Amino acid sequence: EADIYQTPRYLVIGTGKKITLECSQTMGHDKMYWYQQDPGMELHLIHYSYGVNSTEKGDLSSESTVSRIRTEHFPLTLESARPSHTSQYLCASSGTQLTNEKLFFGSGTQLSVL
Amino acid sequence: DQQVKQNSPSLSVQEGRISILNCDYTNSMFDYFLWYKKYPAEGPTFLISISSIKDKNEDGRFTVFLNKSAKHLSLHIVPSQPGDSAVYFCALTSGTYKYIFGTGTRLKVLA
Repeated sequence: EADIYQTPRYLVIGTGKKITLECSQTMGHDKMYWYQQDPGMELHLIHYSYGVNSTEKGDLSSESTVSRIRTEHFPLTLESARPSHTSQYLCASSGTQLTNEKLFFGSGTQLSVL
Repeated sequence: DQQVKQNSPSLSVQEGRISILNCDYTNSMFDYFLWYKKYPAEGPTFLISISSIKDKNEDGRFTVFLNKSAKHLSLHIVPSQPGDSAVYFCALTSGTYKYIFGTGTRLKVLA
């Protein structure tokens, strides 16, 4: 049902590298989100967007940045990766109407920074 | 200060029996309550939701119950199947961008 895609699925990278995690959705959703999750923990919101050219930081402080130049695309960038960034990153989107409360998630990117 | 708690980190159930997963919350501001299922290294998949104006919603083998006075949400799966083995998260939202997630309960259905 969900048409939201994340790449790469897995990424192992050295400290100091710049990385971009890709997220695209084909559902025409205005709202998009980035969550971070560690094993056994709840999902934490790190960025969200209400639409094109709209981005906000979430509840969890993050050194990452996002952009929303097109409705369907919401990439996340880490300028200089560190071991503390090792985590699973989940992209999600939701519909435009207030009653459409469902979040659709991508498959996630498992990031390991050495 | 955790607003949403799933107090059972794990649960084992025999195939064919009922699985009951629970979620307690502290704030009455939420309008929608959702359940997600997650396999390792995958993203969460939406299962079922309920709005705050209802107390029960059914979809096939899945039923969600909401007790607003007790601030308690539960998911019933009956009959449980081995393919149901996964981590289940509850999520609460007031309809804006903000979703509050529980820490998850790992369900294992034994064949």
